[in-house]
Amino acid sequence: GAGVSQSPSNKVTEKGKDVELRCDPISGHTALYWYRQSLGQGLEFLIYFQGNSAPDKSGLPSDRFSAERTGGSVSTLTIQRTQQEDSAVYLCASSLSLASANYGYTFGSGTRLTVV
Amino acid sequence: DAKTTQPNSMESNEEEPVHLPCNHSTISGTDYIHWYRQLPSQGPEYVIHGLTSNVNNRMASLAIAEDRKSSTLILHRATLRDAAVYYCILRDGYQKVTFGTGTKLQVIP
Repeated sequence: GAGVSQSPSNKVTEKGKDVELRCDPISGHTALYWYRQSLGQGLEFLIYFQGNSAPDKSGLPSDRFSAERTGGSVSTLTIQRTQQEDSAVYLCASSLSLASANYGYTFGSGTRLTVV
Repeated sequence: DAKTTQPNSMESNEEEPVHLPCNHSTISGTDYIHWYRQLPSQGPEYVIHGLTSNVNNRMASLAIAEDRKSSTLILHRATLRDAAVYYCILRDGYQKVTFGTGTKLQVIP
């Protein structure tokens, strides 16, 4: 597609439920990143993928968070047993290559998650 | 990852140039300097990046100090649509980059 697509754009869920957030990167972009942005804050790095591999998962806030990427394309961020502190905007970005910093990120519009 | 320091906020009059500073005194030789901006309720948007030399594109110019410990994003004529939060980050390839709170630019009509 022309840009990074994220779905849903908004999600309201009850505390304790599981949610799945989807990211569809730009075709051909091998690197994919997930970030979280709480209200009025900067972007908190969560995880990155090179192809289908996530070499470093230490940025995930807790073991309730997991992410996968299939076919070198779509990625899903799953939050189990959601808590109110998980409420934030979850942003996905893709880049042509992980290894070179000579490419910019392209971000999606994000998923606004509200846990009630 | 190397840190950057930016002012929390800046103001500019419409149609005036704007110089947004960023300090990155611990930059390494392989770090690229990237700038992004985020409009309200949108994801960040790439603006410009560079390594050592000054860079120009249709959106802005990037001036990099000779010692690379600071850089300046230059918007040549600010418009109301340029009101956003501007982030300066360093990237060196293997990515675990956290964006700070950036500089909130207010453009005054």
